Amino acid sequence: DAKTTQPNSMESNEEEPVHLPCNHSTISGTDYIHWYRQLPSQGPEYVIHGLTSNVNNRMASLAIAEDRKSSTLILHRATLRDAAVYYCIPRKTGANNLFFGTGTRLTVIP
Amino acid sequence: GAGVSQSPRYKVAKRGQDVALRCDPISGHVSLFWYQQALGQGPEFLTYFQNEAQLDKSGLPSDRFFAERPEGSVSTLKIQRTQQEDSAVYLCASSLASGTYANQQFFGPGTRLTVL
Repeated sequence: DAKTTQPNSMESNEEEPVHLPCNHSTISGTDYIHWYRQLPSQGPEYVIHGLTSNVNNRMASLAIAEDRKSSTLILHRATLRDAAVYYCIPRKTGANNLFFGTGTRLTVIP
Repeated sequence: GAGVSQSPRYKVAKRGQDVALRCDPISGHVSLFWYQQALGQGPEFLTYFQNEAQLDKSGLPSDRFFAERPEGSVSTLKIQRTQQEDSAVYLCASSLASGTYANQQFFGPGTRLTVL
């Protein structure tokens, strides 16, 4: 499985955009990049995923580098409810389980 | 709509006791997963079911851990002769389809197990 590197922690002011980086230099060509987040005292929840093209949904945007060795999760306007640990997870096609790392703990400052 | 539910939410056991943790997946979800999350760490995979078949148990840390899903819906994770290192949050997740790239897992709130 591809190894990922994420900053341990980040801070953002409320209402500001947040860019959460992830390096996955050993990713294979068929691995999708998934992002999950875990709010305090809750189970993880799906945020977004993509393969090569940038992706948008109601929660966030995912920008994937052209060489696919890195990606960035973008929260366009951070709210206090976005304070969570964010996990970047390369996932092989056909794989069932998720391999979480230690993620990035995002603190949102009011 | 109902999500994944787990019970109990908290469990305290004395070392050596057996415990059983229950997971009720989202109705109709074929796949079910168990993960273990130690304090300050990300969740780690334990085992995976497709309907009632346990297709992957490679993450179970020892033969004291046993999981079942006899009718393809509710699942139970059993830990025999609990040890202090078993203290963790046990997360259950379910998904609608298996083996596809778009497979999104829905997680329950977890059961926090503390072994004294």
